Amino acid sequence: AAGVIQSPRHLIKEKRETATLKCYPIPRHDTVYWYQQGPGQDPQFLISFYEKMQSDKGSIPDRFSAQQFSDYHSELNMSSLELGDSALYFCASSLGGRYNTEAFFGQGTRLTVV
Amino acid sequence: AQSVTQPDIHITVSEGASLELRCNYSYGATPYLFWYVQSPGQGLQLLLKYFSGDTLVQGIKGFEAEFKRSQSSFNLRKPSVHWSDAAEYFCAVDGSNDYKLSFGAGTTVTVRA
Repeated sequence: AAGVIQSPRHLIKEKRETATLKCYPIPRHDTVYWYQQGPGQDPQFLISFYEKMQSDKGSIPDRFSAQQFSDYHSELNMSSLELGDSALYFCASSLGGRYNTEAFFGQGTRLTVV
Repeated sequence: AQSVTQPDIHITVSEGASLELRCNYSYGATPYLFWYVQSPGQGLQLLLKYFSGDTLVQGIKGFEAEFKRSQSSFNLRKPSVHWSDAAEYFCAVDGSNDYKLSFGAGTTVTVRA
């Protein structure tokens, strides 16, 4: 069965550079969530989208922005990268924005800022 | 605000022995509760979830969890651990039915032969 696809799997950037992470949800899923998991930390909710509109916002820095496109894939744009942005970024998707189905997580993008 | 506490940072258990991972939550009403497992370098896999109804929930890989409202707990159990169960386990809570999950700090499980 198709799963949530995240690309790239690994990304190395220098401080002050920008990065774009992509998330392709499970087909027919219309809701996407982004989480950030720092080294040795638990995942922290960043932002979510339902039907291409932002549905909720968590601890996402102002340097980050995200959107969901017409094909429901989502991109997380990160600018002025800092060393502390090094983390595993998870995307999850679900259908309906509520518990019609569970949310499935991708394998994550590991971002390293040097 | 919702929050989750996993008191045990690291647990070592012998293969074939039973395992119990503790999870306590803080939320005004009955939240939605989840257990996820994360193997090294991998994503999060849902083991089981509790929304309502029977307080003993069965999950994948032989895991079960029991919701105890009086103790604000949702402990995860497995009767007989396999070496492949070595991983990090996260308890998570969602109080608003929108999958804005709050995760615990995680418990790392090591399985010894």
